[in-house]
Amino acid sequence: NAGVTQTPKFQVLKTGQSMTLQCAQDMNHNSMYWYRQDPGMGLRLIYYSASEGTTDKGEVPNGYNVSRLNKREFSLRLESAAPSQTSVYFCASSDRTDNQPQHFGDGTRLSIL
Amino acid sequence: AQSVTQPDIHITVSEGASLELRCNYSYGATPYLFWYVQSPGQGLQLLLKYFSGDTLVQGIKGFEAEFKRSQSSFNLRKPSVHWSDAAEYFCAVGLYSGGGADGLTFGKGTHLIIQP
Repeated sequence: NAGVTQTPKFQVLKTGQSMTLQCAQDMNHNSMYWYRQDPGMGLRLIYYSASEGTTDKGEVPNGYNVSRLNKREFSLRLESAAPSQTSVYFCASSDRTDNQPQHFGDGTRLSIL
Repeated sequence: AQSVTQPDIHITVSEGASLELRCNYSYGATPYLFWYVQSPGQGLQLLLKYFSGDTLVQGIKGFEAEFKRSQSSFNLRKPSVHWSDAAEYFCAVGLYSGGGADGLTFGKGTHLIIQP
């Protein structure tokens, strides 16, 4: 009954360090998404993967890369972290073919010093 | 591009009183609309969704929302709030193409405070 699992839950990085945020879903969903949440900004889409083997840019993709490793897993990578990337990152998944709503993980709180 | 506006950043309501949270959207076609709730330090939980059909939709925890195409609105309502309803509420519109979801556009959220 896990749903969408994100690791780690918290992380502190120094400027210039790299990091990969992991996301896995056990609902056999086709589509997966990465959002960032900043105070007063709501959630903004970074990248999404409509199906295994495809990825597309969202509203704020700069500074990030993604990998859809398989149907279950969708990772987000920061190659050279910047303080502007301090945020809470949420992964979500949905069954694209059935127009189902998105299910969200509990988030990764990332601070970049 | 689609957009979502939640005009109220904060709303304070007395426990037991009724609630209405406003949401306006801008989108070229019939949108797919959602309300999510977020408790502090948690992820987002779906309250309700509108895809088509009856414009008054019922959700979990006693919430409902009404889609009004003429006003481009999808306001969330609850007849009597409980202290546990204190949270952040997000309205979102789905961009669907080819029968699937290409991601959600969120409003900036409304912070709901419940007074005893």
